[in-house]
Amino acid sequence: KNEVEQSPQNLTAQEGEFITINCSYSVGISALHWLQQHPGGGIVSLFMLSSGKKKHGRLIATINIQEKHSSLHITASHPRDSAVYICAVTTGNQFYFGTGTSLTVIP
Amino acid sequence: DTAVSQTPKYLVTQMGNDKSIKCEQNLGHDTMYWYKQDSKKFLKIMFSYNNKELIINETVPNRFSPKSPDKAHLNLHINSLELGDSAVYFCASSQDRRALRNTGELFFGEGSRLTVL
Repeated sequence: KNEVEQSPQNLTAQEGEFITINCSYSVGISALHWLQQHPGGGIVSLFMLSSGKKKHGRLIATINIQEKHSSLHITASHPRDSAVYICAVTTGNQFYFGTGTSLTVIP
Repeated sequence: DTAVSQTPKYLVTQMGNDKSIKCEQNLGHDTMYWYKQDSKKFLKIMFSYNNKELIINETVPNRFSPKSPDKAHLNLHINSLELGDSAVYFCASSQDRRALRNTGELFFGEGSRLTVL
């Protein structure tokens, strides 16, 4: 069983919809990262958080350490948000990755 | 001016060959990483160096050897390539080891797609 589980695996949304991607993990962590991988393959770090909530533009990331759960929200989704979103956790000396959520936003 | 650059972007080679992928970062970061993304798009860390010192060395075949001549460079050498080595290899850097803790953001290269025939 993977240390990091994401849901859903695939998500299709209409432009403008509110989107939530979930990440659950089973190890004690120091931090959690949300990454975005575009169709071209490049990976961009969206957030790194260890508690609470962070917001950047239309993206919001939350984490609940007690429940070992994080969510990535996208408000007013846009076709350019179409990408694979990857959750990763670090334990201080190790990285574990989720299998990614493939998001397609339809105009 | 690319922050984390990898070369080559694409590499096609025969089984049994030895190849290298180079990574350079111009961000002044202390920590660099190599990740492998398999055909199912699953990312896995392979190695991490902090200021030229190996800090993460995952269970990868001995055929894979990282080399860090200075803190701005982390190269990946692969000997006796096998079909299963085909993947996309990503280099990344962070300001320091805090990416492993709670304050260091990761910066990724564009990836190097290795195809072993």
